[in-house]
Amino acid sequence: AQTVTQSQPEMSVQEAETVTLSCTYDTSESDYYLFWYKQPPSRQMILVIRQEAYKQQNATENRFSVNFQKAAKSFSLKISDSQLGDAAMYFCACGGSQGNLIFGKGTKLSVKP
Amino acid sequence: DVKVTQSSRYLVKRTGEKVFLECVQDMDHENMFWYRQDPGLGLRLIYFSYDVKMKEKGDIPEGYSVSREKKERFSLILESASTNQTSMYLCASSFAGPSGYEQYFGPGTRLTVT
Repeated sequence: AQTVTQSQPEMSVQEAETVTLSCTYDTSESDYYLFWYKQPPSRQMILVIRQEAYKQQNATENRFSVNFQKAAKSFSLKISDSQLGDAAMYFCACGGSQGNLIFGKGTKLSVKP
Repeated sequence: DVKVTQSSRYLVKRTGEKVFLECVQDMDHENMFWYRQDPGLGLRLIYFSYDVKMKEKGDIPEGYSVSREKKERFSLILESASTNQTSMYLCASSFAGPSGYEQYFGPGTRLTVT
C-alpha cells in the first residue's frame, strides 16, 4: 500500500520570497513517479511538477523545483520568487502501478503582498 | 488543450435519490478516475477505469458505482444518496500505462445531499 503525508496543513509566504512545502511518501513499488498538483481557489487542479523515481536529478519547472531524497522517501516542493497567483492548495501524489495516484491531504499556501 | 468536463458544477439532491455525475474527456485517454475531495482528507479515489466497460475499486467505493460505456465518458452513480456523501467530486483522465502520465482534472461537482 502507498501512503503520502503532507505535514503542513497551511503555509504562508511573503511575495517574492521562497517557500518549501514538505511531503513524505511510502511505497512498495520499485518504479514510481511523484507529483505536485496545484488547486487554485474555485479552479481546476493542474500539474505543477513531476519526478521520476529512477532519476537522481531533481525536476525543475521555472520557479518550481523539487528536492527528491529517495532514501528518505521525501519529496519537497520549493517555490521561488513567490507570486500572488501561487496561492492555492498544493497536493503531493505518488503514482501506483495501475496508473492511479495516492494523494496527500494538501497544504494551503497563502501569499502575502 | 485537454478538456475534462463534468456535467454540473453544483448539485443539490435529497436523501435517497439516485444521483448521476458525468465526466467527459476529449483526449482519447484510456484511464478515467473519480475522486472525492473533503477538507483535511485530500483526494480519495472512489473508482477508476482503464478501458471501456472495465472498472476497479479505489479506496472508498462503498455507496458508489460507475459506468463506462464509451471511452470518453465515465459516470459516477450514487444509488441512494446519503448526507455523508455531501462532498466535492473530481473526475480525471490520463493515458494508460505506468503511473508517470499526468492526470487531467475536471472542474469538480460540489454535491450537497439534504
